[in-house]
Amino acid sequence: NAGVMQNPRHLVRRRGQEARLRCSPMKGHSHVYWYRQLPEEGLKFMVYLQKENIIDESGMPKERFSAEFPKEGPSILRIQQVVRGDSAAYFCASSPQEAYEQYFGPGTRLTVT
Amino acid sequence: KQEVTQIPAALSVPEGENLVLNCSFTDSAIYNLQWFRQDPGKGLTSLLLIQSSQREQTSGRLNASLDKSSGRSTLYIAASQPGDSATYLCAVRAAGNKLTFGGGTRVLVKP
Repeated sequence: NAGVMQNPRHLVRRRGQEARLRCSPMKGHSHVYWYRQLPEEGLKFMVYLQKENIIDESGMPKERFSAEFPKEGPSILRIQQVVRGDSAAYFCASSPQEAYEQYFGPGTRLTVT
Repeated sequence: KQEVTQIPAALSVPEGENLVLNCSFTDSAIYNLQWFRQDPGKGLTSLLLIQSSQREQTSGRLNASLDKSSGRSTLYIAASQPGDSATYLCAVRAAGNKLTFGGGTRVLVKP
């Protein structure tokens, strides 16, 4: 039973480009969470999704960031027009139901040059 | 707003000593608390999850206690080994299902 998968593991983008981060939850998990870890800072919640629905996006920056979890396929975190301050590790987690333990993926390390 | 604090921020001990890591949170209305381990440049590994109705959880050399009323949890690691060197994070889950993380304690176990 594969764990939470994220790709790419490392992503380099130039300022102004778009970044697309993918997360495949564990088998049987329909709840996905995205967290961001800025350099020298703790992990911060960004968004919580179920299949085809955004449940809580209170941690998402108001502009340039969006997330989706379609009926088929992985969850996508999309960052448009990246800036240097977006450089961070982005972690995805999944759970089978709402109140259950969250299992984390290995993260995508985004570097904006 | 829930805030989670971990003290100390860093800890260095000789091999064989017991480790005591502290976590405090400001809002006691939590559903559960998780302890994670993070190795440099890696993801998070869940170590223990304590439900709000529980007082402690144990797994091998690890023991975590929870005092919800005082907003505290402690992670004990017995007989530390160099392989225990990592950053340890605690996170609480309150209403809304999101985890709020502490800043972590960076542990170094010297051989």
